[in-house]
Amino acid sequence: NAGVTQTPKFRILKIGQSMTLQCAQDMNHNYMYWYRQDPGMGLKLIYYSVGAGITDKGEVPNGYNVSRSTTEDFPLRLELAAPSQTSVYFCASSSDRAIFSGNTIYFGEGSWLTVV
Amino acid sequence: DAKTTQPTSMDCAEGRAANLPCNHSTISGNEYVYWYRQIHSQGPQYIIHGLKNNETNEMASLIITEDRKSSTLILPHATLRDTAVYYCIVRVGSNTGKLIFGQGTTLQVKP
Repeated sequence: NAGVTQTPKFRILKIGQSMTLQCAQDMNHNYMYWYRQDPGMGLKLIYYSVGAGITDKGEVPNGYNVSRSTTEDFPLRLELAAPSQTSVYFCASSSDRAIFSGNTIYFGEGSWLTVV
Repeated sequence: DAKTTQPTSMDCAEGRAANLPCNHSTISGNEYVYWYRQIHSQGPQYIIHGLKNNETNEMASLIITEDRKSSTLILPHATLRDTAVYYCIVRVGSNTGKLIFGQGTTLQVKP
């Protein structure tokens, strides 16, 4: 198993450009998450999904969109990139059983995004 | 929604026990307490979790108070490699799976 895979690892965007951060997991997990982490700060939840076709907003959803057409993939779309979106983005997944029984959440290695 | 409060930072001498507190006074009866840590800018790493009873694994021990309103993560013999940000989180919202991280505690292990 590859676990949670994020691409790209690094990206520089110009203001106003759009891009998609890809996230895939091969563990058949229903729950998937996108977090952002600004320098020296904690993780903030952007969006999450409890299954294919179901998504919901987290703490900081503005400026982002997500979709969940399959169990495996949970892409994060940045529309009209702004300097405030310069951050490290982490994707994570967990099984629904794990959520209610307290097992672990699996994180990707992160995607470093700079908007200039 | 359950929310956690942790000290911003702590120091610990190498080889000594590190005790990291967490307050979660609004935790619901079926919500678990998770502990994760993040070294540099890597993805968070699972440490331990618990519901009511104290738990221990190869990495740490978790002590949860009887009223479940607070917990303490114990690293029994801290090493320099344990320097990291430690997050205490609880599952937020019944049946939603939403997981909110707080600011965490920056633990600095000193030689």
